[in-house]
Amino acid sequence: KAGVTQTPRYLIKTRGQQVTLSCSPISGHRSVSWYQQTPGQGLQFLFEYFSETQRNKGNFPGRFSGRQFSNSRSEMNVSTLELGDSALYLCASSLVQGINEQYFGPGTRLTVT
Amino acid sequence: SQQGEEDPQALSIQEGENATMNCSYKTSINNLQWYRQNSGRGLVHLILIRSNEREKHSGRLRVTLDTSKKSSSLLITASRAADTASYFCATDARTGANNLFFGTGTRLTVIP
Repeated sequence: KAGVTQTPRYLIKTRGQQVTLSCSPISGHRSVSWYQQTPGQGLQFLFEYFSETQRNKGNFPGRFSGRQFSNSRSEMNVSTLELGDSALYLCASSLVQGINEQYFGPGTRLTVT
Repeated sequence: SQQGEEDPQALSIQEGENATMNCSYKTSINNLQWYRQNSGRGLVHLILIRSNEREKHSGRLRVTLDTSKKSSSLLITASRAADTASYFCATDARTGANNLFFGTGTRLTVIP
């Protein structure tokens, strides 16, 4: 089975712009979670989608949003980018909702200048 | 915050030695997981231990869990250069949701 894929792998944006990141889960996995990783804050949960519905959200401003499609692929969007949004954004999929081992993609490295 | 902490922050050992990393967390949990991350890349799941388990083994990995102390340890035996990575513990929120709370990580360097 192919692993979790994320596109793009690297992205450079300027402040004020918006960005959309994409995640394709492992085939058959219906839960997709997003995490932000920064040197200062570590790994922080953004949100989780299951069956096209956001099931849980972390403590991030409304500029961070996401969605999930019927094929379980997910996108996250960050609007009005700030310098502090520079981070590695990781997507993880799992078979069902509920605490299970999660399978992570390689991440999208976002740099905001 | 439920985020846990790993100790030590960094660890450097010779190949063949054992490496022990500790994790402390703040709230009650259902499960605790350990993940490995190679430099700037995605995380790889290593092992999951449930709150009613005290010890679990997987290959060269041994994980212990002490819920009374809210702590866990990961032991890697007979380390290899390929074990060089950051190791994170992750706990759940006991809500049934899939969000994990990650610790701060231990950077392990195994010197050949």
